[in-house]
Amino acid sequence: GAVVSQHPSRVICKSGTSVKIECRSLDFQATTMFWYRQFPKKSLMLMATSNEGSKATYEQGVEKDKFLINHASLTLSTLTVTSAHPEDSSFYICSASPGLAGGGIQYFGAGTRLSVL
Amino acid sequence: AQRVTQPEKLLSVFKGAPVELKCNYSYSGSPELFWYVQYSRQRLQLLLRHISRESIKGFTADLNKGETSFHLKKPFAQEEDSAMYYCALSEGGGNKLTFGTGTQLKVEL
Repeated sequence: GAVVSQHPSRVICKSGTSVKIECRSLDFQATTMFWYRQFPKKSLMLMATSNEGSKATYEQGVEKDKFLINHASLTLSTLTVTSAHPEDSSFYICSASPGLAGGGIQYFGAGTRLSVL
Repeated sequence: AQRVTQPEKLLSVFKGAPVELKCNYSYSGSPELFWYVQYSRQRLQLLLRHISRESIKGFTADLNKGETSFHLKKPFAQEEDSAMYYCALSEGGGNKLTFGTGTQLKVEL
């Protein structure tokens, strides 16, 4: 099946620093990538939808200046948490979709555990 | 706006017993419905989708538009079925997914 690699799996940073998370589709071209945030014992909350070569579409309540998303190629999207604060600590998950060609299925990364001290 | 409801946070059944994980949705158009599963220490993965109308690992799910439901069923639960199950809805065409809150299935011996 399709493989999505997410890196790093875990990161600890100081408050005020920025953290970049990478999401790569290893064996298919992802026309669309999605970024989710998962709170403990809660469902996945979609943060933004990213299409290659265009600006990301953010969900209501998600600060676009706080969570910078770049989708520079059909196999790579990055999420940068800028000026991280403890409340940004969470589990971030990306997914990639080959679009209609792949039946609209999303393939998920393993997630990144962010801890902001 | 679309919404997916999974009323049970935890479902415990004995091995060999039937399983039904409930999922209801609200959406004004024609949705695509999915079930995703997350086994312990693994990533989220697709289990099945209503368009495929197939049985995966013994699981089936039928889209009932009248009741706006997409319940996941398996006649005989196995220990390896223990996992977190998420029902999800898409507007179609590779659009974003709206997830339910998930149901933890625990199959006991």
